Amino acid sequence: AQTVTQSQPEMSVQEAETVTLSCTYDTSESDYYLFWYKQPPSRQMILVIRQEAYKQQNATENRFSVNFQKAAKSFSLKISDSQLGDAAMYFCAYPTPGGSQGNLIFGKGTKLSVKP
Amino acid sequence: ETGVTQSPTHLIKTRGQQVTLRCSSQSGHNTVSWYQQALGQGPQFIFQYYREEENGRGNFPPRFSGLQFPNYSSELNVNALELDDSALYLCASSFRGSYNEQFFGPGTRLTVL
Repeated sequence: AQTVTQSQPEMSVQEAETVTLSCTYDTSESDYYLFWYKQPPSRQMILVIRQEAYKQQNATENRFSVNFQKAAKSFSLKISDSQLGDAAMYFCAYPTPGGSQGNLIFGKGTKLSVKP
Repeated sequence: ETGVTQSPTHLIKTRGQQVTLRCSSQSGHNTVSWYQQALGQGPQFIFQYYREEENGRGNFPPRFSGLQFPNYSSELNVNALELDDSALYLCASSFRGSYNEQFFGPGTRLTVL
């Protein structure tokens, strides 16, 4: 079975500091995408960053970057210069095998708190 | 550009009843996916619709059914509600053909008493 594991149910970071959220996954596919989604208390899921597995270069979006280790099936999210608005649930996800539209498999999430 | 919208925002039903949740896709999108998110969990894929036909289904019983309309809006129907159906139901739209981003709606919070 395809799985996504987020081993940190909760994390806390001081404003302006850096935090890393962990994610491991299990897939037999060689080409796939990986995603980090943010879900604030408003409930709306927002895509934070996307990584294409065939690209060796780690994806970066402003203060958000990933550390993608394909062999280890690890996909961590680094948030730099944390802001109060970063407080939310963060979910790691990837598409089910063969699904070009990405019927996503999600982890259980990490709740990130940002302290002022 | 209008984003994904869902209605209603909240809903309370009793066990055994039936419910219909609605979703309007983002403009230009032709694929709709539905997810169930139990409290404290990540979303779980229910099914996806493309060109008005079901195009993939997760591990959910047949009492979960759906429709997609020509304007790409969608409905999720749940019959014979059970207490465990209480959850946040998320709709996501996308454009089929590539690993494009799925745009999520704000969800419908269903409570079954």
